[in-house]
Amino acid sequence: GAVVSQHPSWVICKSGTSVKIECRSLDFQATTMFWYRQFPKQSLMLMATSNEGSKATYEQGVEKDKFLINHASLTLSTLTVTSAHPEDSSFYICSAPSSGGRTDTQYFGPGTRLTVL
Amino acid sequence: QKEVEQDPGPLSVPEGAIVSLNCTYSNSAFQYFMWYRQYSRKGPELLMYTYSSGNKEDGRFTAQVDKSSKYISLFIRDSQPSDSATYLCAMSRSGTSYGKLTFGQGTILTVHP
Repeated sequence: GAVVSQHPSWVICKSGTSVKIECRSLDFQATTMFWYRQFPKQSLMLMATSNEGSKATYEQGVEKDKFLINHASLTLSTLTVTSAHPEDSSFYICSAPSSGGRTDTQYFGPGTRLTVL
Repeated sequence: QKEVEQDPGPLSVPEGAIVSLNCTYSNSAFQYFMWYRQYSRKGPELLMYTYSSGNKEDGRFTAQVDKSSKYISLFIRDSQPSDSATYLCAMSRSGTSYGKLTFGQGTILTVHP
């Protein structure tokens, strides 16, 4: 099946610093990728839709200036958490849709655990 | 009221038991229904997807959709300790299964030997 990778898998940073998370589709192209956030024992909440070659679309309540998304190529989307604070500590997961094969569906990355001190 | 409701559990069953997981939803615009399995500190893994009312079977897993009742289920037969994970239902409004997904809260399942 299709593979989506994320880097880093975990990161610890000081409050006020910025953190960049990469999401890559390894064996397929993705013009669209999705970014989710998951707090402990809670479900995935969609943050934004990343579109190659155009601006990202943010869900209601998500600060676009705080969570910068860049879809630089057909296989790479990045999420930058700017001026991170402890309340931004969470598990960030990306996904990319892949058509063809057995199913048309979204494939999820392994997630990035962010801890802001 | 959340668009998708899922009992978070936790649910604990003995090995070999039949497990029933359920979600209800309120928005009739949802067209595609999926079940994901998520192990601790990992990304979700697709188990099943359906787009019509009725049953769909894949190995030990059966997905059931009842659009009239806005109710979906996942059944796991002959459950194994390796099935211990969080199970998330997900739904999509768009005409394809890879549109934006709305997730349930997830049910934590433990299968003990």
